[in-house]
Amino acid sequence: KAGVTQTPRYLIKTRGQQVTLSCSPISGHRSVSWYQQTPGQGLQFLFEYFSETQRNKGNFPGRFSGRQFSNSRSEMNVSTLELGDSALYLCASSLFNGNEQFFGPGTRLTVL
Amino acid sequence: QKEVEQNSGPLSVPEGAIASLNCTYSDRVSQSFFWYRQYSGKSPELIMSIYSNGDKEDGRFTAQLNKASQYVSLLIRDSQPSDSATYLCAVMGRAAGNKLTFGGGTRVLVKP
Repeated sequence: KAGVTQTPRYLIKTRGQQVTLSCSPISGHRSVSWYQQTPGQGLQFLFEYFSETQRNKGNFPGRFSGRQFSNSRSEMNVSTLELGDSALYLCASSLFNGNEQFFGPGTRLTVL
Repeated sequence: QKEVEQNSGPLSVPEGAIASLNCTYSDRVSQSFFWYRQYSGKSPELIMSIYSNGDKEDGRFTAQLNKASQYVSLLIRDSQPSDSATYLCAVMGRAAGNKLTFGGGTRVLVKP
């Protein structure tokens, strides 16, 4: 069974731009969660989607948004990029709520 | 107080020895506990999950959970140089939906 895939793997943007990251979960998994990892803050939860509905959201500004499609694929969007948004963005999928989460390879975003 | 706390390390162990990693958490209603391994530049990889008090063994790994003490640990037996990585403790609470709260990770170095 194929794992979680994320595209693109690397991204370089400048301040003020916006970016869209994509995640395809493991086949059959309906829950997709997004995390941000930085050296200073570690791994922090962004949001979680299940059956196209956002069920949980972390403490991030409204510039961070996401959505999930009927095939469970998910996208996250960051608008008006700031230097501090430079991070590894990780997507994780699980069968359902409370189950084990499996991470994709991540998208490394650099904001210049 | 951080929600999930781990000693940052590095924890240096000789090859063949037992590595013992500890994690404490603050939310008493937490229900699910996970250990992830993360190699430098890679995404977290799930190695153990534990949901009830006691020990759970999987190959060279043993997870131990004590909900009364709000403590979860990971033992790595017969440590190998390939076990050198950062080990992340993650906790999921009933009230937090599918959100994983991560500790800062413990860096393990296995010396030949």
